[in-house]
Amino acid sequence: AQTIHQWPVAEIKAVGSPLSLGCTIKGKSSPNLYWYWQATGGTLQQLFYSITVGQVESVVQLNLSASRPKDDQFILSTEKLLLSHSGFYLCAWSLQVSNERLFFGHGTKLSVL
Amino acid sequence: GQQVQQSPASLVLQEGENAELQCNFSTSLNSMQWFYQRPGGSLVSLFYNPSGTKHSGRLTSTTVIKERRSSLHISSSQTTDSGTYLCALASGGSNAKLTFGKGTKLSVKS
Repeated sequence: AQTIHQWPVAEIKAVGSPLSLGCTIKGKSSPNLYWYWQATGGTLQQLFYSITVGQVESVVQLNLSASRPKDDQFILSTEKLLLSHSGFYLCAWSLQVSNERLFFGHGTKLSVL
Repeated sequence: GQQVQQSPASLVLQEGENAELQCNFSTSLNSMQWFYQRPGGSLVSLFYNPSGTKHSGRLTSTTVIKERRSSLHISSSQTTDSGTYLCALASGGSNAKLTFGKGTKLSVKS
């Protein structure tokens, strides 16, 4: 069975500090991977997607970057956090990029102070 | 850009009552997904429904592409159905860019 693991579960960070959030998918080779963000009380927004290792496409950047260093790993990062980065980050995967259901991790709650 | 409108914004039911949630979208060639967002924030995929009607237990999703709408029907609601229901539009059926609605917050009381 496929599993998706996000880390950390929660983070409290200072403005201007770096950030790295991770997502690992086990039990499925070559998944399509996605990052989403939701401000508190806000609408879920898609940030990035990746179809294959080393390739990441940006949908909405928000001064964040994403990388896919391994087939089963998707990383979201920034060197300098802003207050506006606070919110809830979700990673998801699907078998194909089109016409497929999405499966989500449990998310990371980020508070930037 | 694409617009996804969900209604109602919130809904309170007594256990056992039925609910009808609506999602309207602005472009015609798309597919629709429905998600349940737990109070903790994680999402569960309920339906991938590009068109027609799909059933899963007490849930029914109906998408009418030419009318640019999709609905989620919950029958015999239970307190465990409480949470937020999101619809999302996939342009051309691709998950590469999903546009989410703001959600319907459902509260089912015993």
